[in-house]
Amino acid sequence: AQKVTQAQTEISVVEKEDVTLDCVYETRDTTYYLFWYKQPPSGELVFLIRRNSFDEQNEISGRYSWNFQKSTSSFNFTITASQVVDSAVYFCALSEAGGAQKLVFGQGTRLTINP
Amino acid sequence: DSGVTQTPKHLITATGQRVTLRCSPRSGDLSVYWYQQSLDQGLQFLIQYYNGEERAKGNILERFSAQQFPDLHSELNLSSLELGDSALYFCASSVDPLGRGELNEQFFGPGTRLTVL
Repeated sequence: AQKVTQAQTEISVVEKEDVTLDCVYETRDTTYYLFWYKQPPSGELVFLIRRNSFDEQNEISGRYSWNFQKSTSSFNFTITASQVVDSAVYFCALSEAGGAQKLVFGQGTRLTINP
Repeated sequence: DSGVTQTPKHLITATGQRVTLRCSPRSGDLSVYWYQQSLDQGLQFLIQYYNGEERAKGNILERFSAQQFPDLHSELNLSSLELGDSALYFCASSVDPLGRGELNEQFFGPGTRLTVL
């Protein structure tokens, strides 16, 4: 069975600090996809990134970066120079390839950036 | 704005009632997914439709049903509502033109918040 664990329930930092959100996953599939979504206080789910299991290159998008390590089954998300607008709940998710592409979500990490 | 629309935004009803939630996917997206977000269960996959046909089922109760129409919009029907059905219900859509899952970023609608009193 697939499982995603986000061990950090809540994180609170001061603006401009760097922060890393951890994500550990379990799957028996050799081909799978990993995702991060952001849920701001307004409630919608915003897609941030998708990674497939064959692409272990780290990705950087502005202040956001992602570190995918198959050896440790982790897909961590780092925000550099955090801003108040980054305050949200962040979800890591896993999907198998082909067939049903349901997303299996972690429990989410509530990130609060204090001014 | 993801391009996925959901109506209504809020719904308040009583136990035992039946409601219908509606979702319009992004233009061109053939796959529609329904998820439930509740405090105790988190975000859970309910059901997926691809081009009008049911593709996969998750933790969907027998009191719940869904369908996808020829114009690709989808409806989630919740009946015999219980207090525990109060949750945020999300619809998502993805391109997946061949139904094989290669292009499966799911874009979520704003959700329908259901309150059962």
